[in-house]
Amino acid sequence: DSGVTQTPKHLITATGQRVTLRCSPRSGDLSVYWYQQSLDQGLQFLIQYYNGEERAKGNILERFSAQQFPDLHSELNLSSLELGDSALYFCASSFRTSGGDTQYFGPGTRLTVL
Amino acid sequence: AQSVAQPEDQVNVAEGNPLTVKCTYSVSGNPYLFWYVQYPNRGLQFLLKYITGDNLVKGSYGFEAEFNKSQTSFHLKKPSALVSDSALYFCAVRYGMGSGGSYIPTFGRGTSLIVHP
Repeated sequence: DSGVTQTPKHLITATGQRVTLRCSPRSGDLSVYWYQQSLDQGLQFLIQYYNGEERAKGNILERFSAQQFPDLHSELNLSSLELGDSALYFCASSFRTSGGDTQYFGPGTRLTVL
Repeated sequence: AQSVAQPEDQVNVAEGNPLTVKCTYSVSGNPYLFWYVQYPNRGLQFLLKYITGDNLVKGSYGFEAEFNKSQTSFHLKKPSALVSDSALYFCAVRYGMGSGGSYIPTFGRGTSLIVHP
């Protein structure tokens, strides 16, 4: 158990809908990362927050947004969902933002868009 | 720009034999290199990392990796494979600056390790 929690575990929804994925980092970690894992794209970095502020952006679509709250939990919002958004979404946390910081991954949320 | 390559989609090895999972990277400057393992329907678990110092890094579950700067490689190794080592292995590199001094991580596509009894 990494100490990172994600809810829900599974999410099934329809095209055009909006969903929110939630992540709670390990106790003491200030940085949260979001990733998308799919068979064709592999593991793609989406976005990183550190202590409530956005720190880095990867291949995140404009339809997606995220935020980190004062209690350090984070939410990833996916809107106008398309079939291609079906994937595993992982959250990871680390203590700081240093390059050598280890990221600890949550169990993931499996999103299915029908 | 940074990139990492795992040239083998799948590695097959017999239980008890040594295993190697290959990783090469491309980055400007000094890299931070990581190995993670993913079991089915689970998140990624940290195995080991190289930041600086000794080129041979020892990690969890008997795994080790050797940093080779001249060959820009960071291959994962284990002297004696177990059936329970069968999983998906990811190499990752971090370098470069996002806003405010962050380091954007790049992961390889993963290598499926299958250990046969």
